[in-house]
Amino acid sequence: GENVEQHPSTLSVQEGDSAVIKCTYSDSASNYFPWYKQELGKRPQLIIDIRSNVGEKKDQRIAVTLNKTAKHFSLHITETQPEDSAVYFCAAIGLSNTGKLIFGQGTTLQVKP
Amino acid sequence: DTAVSQTPKYLVTQMGNDKSIKCEQNLGHDTMYWYKQDSKKFLKIMFSYNNKELIINETVPNRFSPKSPDKAHLNLHINSLELGDSAVYFCASSHYAGVGGNTIYFGEGSWLTVV
Repeated sequence: GENVEQHPSTLSVQEGDSAVIKCTYSDSASNYFPWYKQELGKRPQLIIDIRSNVGEKKDQRIAVTLNKTAKHFSLHITETQPEDSAVYFCAAIGLSNTGKLIFGQGTTLQVKP
Repeated sequence: DTAVSQTPKYLVTQMGNDKSIKCEQNLGHDTMYWYKQDSKKFLKIMFSYNNKELIINETVPNRFSPKSPDKAHLNLHINSLELGDSAVYFCASSHYAGVGGNTIYFGEGSWLTVV
């Protein structure tokens, strides 16, 4: 069945360092991979997404890479700041007409000042 | 302007009760969802409606019944509440549910506690 694995479950970095979160997916038909950030007590919000026709996408300090052959994708945050502290979720969606989004287990990122 | 709004935000109720959570989106989207987030933060889809038609119905106890009176509203009714139903329930919407995926916008969540 469809599955998305996310690692690590927790990540602690010093302010200014980089953070990398990795995900693998099982459905080779998946072609859309969003990343959501959820601050404590808040809703998940989209921070970046990538489609299967590109290998990398950047938005300021955030970048996502996709390796379709290996079926994994990663979130890279550079120059981390305390306000980056949150739970990050990767997700994958397949070639279906249901819009079903499968989420990874989440990564709790702590950026220490 | 709140794009996806759900009520109530907090709900504390006793086991065995029946409760409803309401959701409305003003984005003009065709597709709406209910997600459940448990204590371990895991986000799992429960239901999805596209233009009032049920298109996703995951393995959810039949005590949970969604209702979509129109494409801007998707309510969730829960009968005979159990302790294990305690979670945060997120309503969400997206422009469409077609091939290729598109951004899903979440509501603020409804914190349900069953005592």
